[in-house]
Amino acid sequence: QIQVVQSGAEVKPPGASVKLSCKASGYTFSTYAISWVRQAPGQGLEWMGWVSASNGKTVYGQNLQGRVTMTTDTSTNTAYMELRSLRSDDTALYYCARGAQTLDFWGQGSLVIVPS
Amino acid sequence: SNGLTQPPSVSVSPGQTASITCSADKLSDKYASWYQQRPGQSPVLVIYQDTKRPSGIPDRFSGSNSGNIATLTISETQAMDEADYYCQAWDSTTAIFGGGTKLTVL
Repeated sequence: QIQVVQSGAEVKPPGASVKLSCKASGYTFSTYAISWVRQAPGQGLEWMGWVSASNGKTVYGQNLQGRVTMTTDTSTNTAYMELRSLRSDDTALYYCARGAQTLDFWGQGSLVIVPS
Repeated sequence: SNGLTQPPSVSVSPGQTASITCSADKLSDKYASWYQQRPGQSPVLVIYQDTKRPSGIPDRFSGSNSGNIATLTISETQAMDEADYYCQAWDSTTAIFGGGTKLTVL
């Protein structure tokens, strides 16, 4: 069965970087993109961008341009999302999901806390 | 604005039909998807490409997209359908989510 498993919670000081992982299984990893979506406490879903697992192409949300990098490692079927220059308003649950246009399988989320 | 607008809340009685709307200019030019998120859980895809249901989603869930409005319809609503629902639109390379609608089953 298809599974998407994310890395654990992180606490980072303001200005630091965080790199989250997302390991997929149960399908041919290179045939789908991986998207990243975040959800601040008590708030809605915010689309962050996606990375193609076949050629590494990325599309990022405009509000994160310059601070985010999404990559994949096809040898381990793992996607990564690095967010730099962290601020307190980056505190959120970060989800990865299979797909770009349609997000059909989601990870359990990785909590990132940036104390103010 | 290219934002997607959803009502913050919708209430429905058990067994009745709930409709949740998502609006934006020329939304029907884009594909719409819908996600259900129960408290403390990850989102689950319930409708994609406007009208299609993933495997395992009950046929009580249906979708439409016409003009400026996409609609998620849940017939014979059950207590287990109480959740937040998010619409999402895809525009060639980028995606956007609506603000979410809390469905309460009274």
